[in-house]
Amino acid sequence: DAKTTQPPSMDCAEGRAANLPCNHSTISGNEYVYWYRQIHSQGPQYIIHGLKNNETNEMASLIITEDRKSSTLILPHATLRDTAVYYCIVRVGGGGYNKLIFGAGTRLAVHP
Amino acid sequence: DTEVTQTPKHLVMGMTNKKSLKCEQHMGHRAMYWYKQKAKKPPELMFVYSYEKLSINESVPSRFSPECPNSSLLNLHLHALQPEDSALYLCASSQELAGYNEQFFGPGTRLTVL
Repeated sequence: DAKTTQPPSMDCAEGRAANLPCNHSTISGNEYVYWYRQIHSQGPQYIIHGLKNNETNEMASLIITEDRKSSTLILPHATLRDTAVYYCIVRVGGGGYNKLIFGAGTRLAVHP
Repeated sequence: DTEVTQTPKHLVMGMTNKKSLKCEQHMGHRAMYWYKQKAKKPPELMFVYSYEKLSINESVPSRFSPECPNSSLLNLHLHALQPEDSALYLCASSQELAGYNEQFFGPGTRLTVL
């Protein structure tokens, strides 16, 4: 699976959009981009995933560049409860094993 | 019910003890996972079961012994652990092992080895 690079930490004001970048320059054609987050002292939580089209759900939006070498997770109106470590993971979809390899992630701090 | 439960929440054990961690899900998922997470590090995959059979062992030392007695339960038996095995142990499940199914995680068991 392709390697990902994320900034170690980011800050965001409550109510503003949080934009979390992820680089995955070695991604191949059948690899999906997944985002999970881990709130302190809890297990990771699935947020969203995508292949090449932008995706949106009730939690977030995922914007993938046309060349698929990077993506951005957008939390449109961040709240204090969104303070967590956010993991961007690239893995093979379809017939590949559903095996998550977590990188270091981005520690997002949402402040009042 | 989209919950994965883990017991106990906390466990303290000596290096000569034998203990077990338990994980349960009632979502009908056929893949179940054990992860280990050291402080301020990302989770690392240990074992994966698919249809109650061990499918992936990420070269985990034999002092960790997984067991999947049925499709809803996953155990991790611990014996002769070392202090460096102290960590948060996370269980997860997904609908299937193959494909791109969301993994649902439990809250974890925080293990301290003295």
